[in-house]
Amino acid sequence: NAGVTQTPKFQVLKTGQSMTLQCAQDMNHNSMYWYRQDPGMGLRLIYYSASEGTTDKGEVPNGYNVSRLNKREFSLRLESAAPSQTSVYFCASIVQGRLFFGSGTQLSVL
Amino acid sequence: KQEVTQIPAALSVPEGENLVLNCSFTDSAIYNLQWFRQDPGKGLTSLLLIQSSQREQTSGRLNASLDKSSGRSTLYIAASQPGDSATYLCAVGRTSGSARQLTFGSGTQLTVLP
Repeated sequence: NAGVTQTPKFQVLKTGQSMTLQCAQDMNHNSMYWYRQDPGMGLRLIYYSASEGTTDKGEVPNGYNVSRLNKREFSLRLESAAPSQTSVYFCASIVQGRLFFGSGTQLSVL
Repeated sequence: KQEVTQIPAALSVPEGENLVLNCSFTDSAIYNLQWFRQDPGKGLTSLLLIQSSQREQTSGRLNASLDKSSGRSTLYIAASQPGDSATYLCAVGRTSGSARQLTFGSGTQLTVLP
């Protein structure tokens, strides 16, 4: 049972490049989330999906798009990366109020 | 807007010591509070979840308490070990079963010295 799996673990982009962060969970959870973690700022919610086929903006959605491909998978796309998007990104799913996190993607935008 | 504060940002203690980590929040209208552990380069692991109707939760050497009226939660770690070294974060939730309105603190980095 892998839990929440994220790929890639590390990525370096140049300003303006695009990329997709992949996330999959095998716990049959309905709700999935994308967060970013920056020093001194805690975790901030980018987008979430309450169930398959639905997505909604979180606190910091600008510059990102998401796709809930099926119940297992929830991807995050950066269409035109900016240095301000340098961060650690976490995918999570939730059941009965308890969050389960992936191991994160460390993204640097130069 | 809910604000969650964890002070101190970093803490070092000798092995074997009992310790308390603090979490304070500004809006007492919470549904639950969760404590997480984060190891370097890893994701967050949920340690304890306290519902707003509860006063405390225990798991092994960990005990989390909640005082909604004063806007405070504490995480008590008994007989600390070097393996407890990690960053501990708290998160306050406003809605049931959803992370939509979950507000995280910035964490306390704990180092337990052998």
